[in-house]
Amino acid sequence: DAKTTQPPSMDCAEGRAANLPCNHSTISGNEYVYWYRQIHSQGPQYIIHGLKNNETNEMASLIITEDRKSSTLILPHATLRDTAVYYCIVRPRLAAGNKLTFGGGTRVLVKP
Amino acid sequence: EAGVVQSPRYKIIEKKQPVAFWCNPISGHNTLYWYLQNLGQGPELLIRYENEEAVDDSQLPKDRFSAERLKGVDSTLKIQPAELGDSAVYLCASSLESNTEAFFGQGTRLTVV
Repeated sequence: DAKTTQPPSMDCAEGRAANLPCNHSTISGNEYVYWYRQIHSQGPQYIIHGLKNNETNEMASLIITEDRKSSTLILPHATLRDTAVYYCIVRPRLAAGNKLTFGGGTRVLVKP
Repeated sequence: EAGVVQSPRYKIIEKKQPVAFWCNPISGHNTLYWYLQNLGQGPELLIRYENEEAVDDSQLPKDRFSAERLKGVDSTLKIQPAELGDSAVYLCASSLESNTEAFFGQGTRLTVV
C-alpha cells in the first residue's frame, strides 16, 4: 500500500475552515484516499474517501490534486468537537489485500 | 441503527491471566476487523474476517492470541496468557464488504498489571 505523510499536529480557530494536507506521492491508479478521525477515547470514525474527483459530504470536503500525489481534507467550519487525530489512508480499490493501514495522523486542536 | 458494539469497555488483569474481548458488528456486515492501538499510535490490524473465515491474520501473534467468528456474526478475541506489553486498546470494526468503509467500535482498553 502507498505510504502517506501528514503533519503531526496543527491548530485551527473555531468557526474557520481547517485544511488538513496529506502527501501520497506513490499512490497507484487503483488506490483510494480515505480519511478517518479519532476523537479521544473513541474508535476511528469514517469521514470521506475519493479516487480522483473532489468529494463532499455533510462532514467535509476532499480535494485531490490532478496528479493524485496529494490531497486536502477541508472541515468548512471547525468546531471544538472536531478536535481529534485525523488519519489519511491510501487503500487498494479491489478486495484483495484490502485493509486500512493507519499512520501517525495529524493531531488537530480546534481553539476557541 | 446500532453501531459496532464492543465489551467490556475497560479491563484490568494481572499478567499471565487470560482475557477475552467481544465484538458485535453492524447487522449485515460481512467483513470484521480486530485492530490493536498502542498509546499515541495509529491502529494496527490484527485479523480480518470475511464472514466466518479469517482471510488475513498475518499480524496476529498466534502463540498467545486467538480469535473466532462463529456463524459469521459476533467475534471474540482472546489473549492467553496476557503480558504487560499487551496493554493497549483493542478495536473492532466492520464493513459491508471488504472494499467499503469500515465502522469502528469504541474499543476495549486493556491494562495488564
